[in-house]
Amino acid sequence: SAVISQKPSRDICQRGTSLTIQCQVDSQVTMMFWYRQQPGQSLTLIATANQGSEATYESGFVIDKFPISRPNLTFSTLTVSNMSPEDSSIYLCSVEEGNEQFFGPGTRLTVL
Amino acid sequence: KQEVTQIPAALSVPEGENLVLNCSFTDSAIYNLQWFRQDPGKGLTSLLLIQSSQREQTSGRLNASLDKSSGRSTLYIAASQPGDSATYLCAVLGSWGKLQFGSGTQVVVTP
Repeated sequence: SAVISQKPSRDICQRGTSLTIQCQVDSQVTMMFWYRQQPGQSLTLIATANQGSEATYESGFVIDKFPISRPNLTFSTLTVSNMSPEDSSIYLCSVEEGNEQFFGPGTRLTVL
Repeated sequence: KQEVTQIPAALSVPEGENLVLNCSFTDSAIYNLQWFRQDPGKGLTSLLLIQSSQREQTSGRLNASLDKSSGRSTLYIAASQPGDSATYLCAVLGSWGKLQFGSGTQVVVTP
């Protein structure tokens, strides 16, 4: 199964600033996914990132707020822009291998 | 639109008892169903994957069943241990190509 790492593991940020989260996979994968988990909630898909093309965003998420890069088949970044306290969540990246999804350890973001 | 429901939302059992966690979904056109475990503030660990053509999957003390026609899956954990305390999430992969998660069952196993 794929091994996924994320950086940072957690951060505390001031409102109005931006944070970039990195996701690294130990094998080449076609699609990478970014999820948000708000406190006490389940996971919500933000976007799907394919290498070499623009990310596809889900309803309620926009590129200006959550720009995503996918420079190669093992790496992706998600930026949370112009943060507000409502952005306080765990952000997780995941990949699919053989129809099974594997998740990174998550980035716990607190916005003050 | 697919909806995934998990009941109960929380469960507390004494050590040694068997755990039964339920997951239901509204659209039976799924490719597979996956059970995950999440420890507080952490990522998700995949426990079991059941393909749509399968009725059950087993791994150690874990057994998951799938009844696609009735839109249900059940995760059984035998002889629970305090280390089983976590939130358990089910998720279905549908023809829309995306994973839809339930809200989870928070499990506490008391020594």
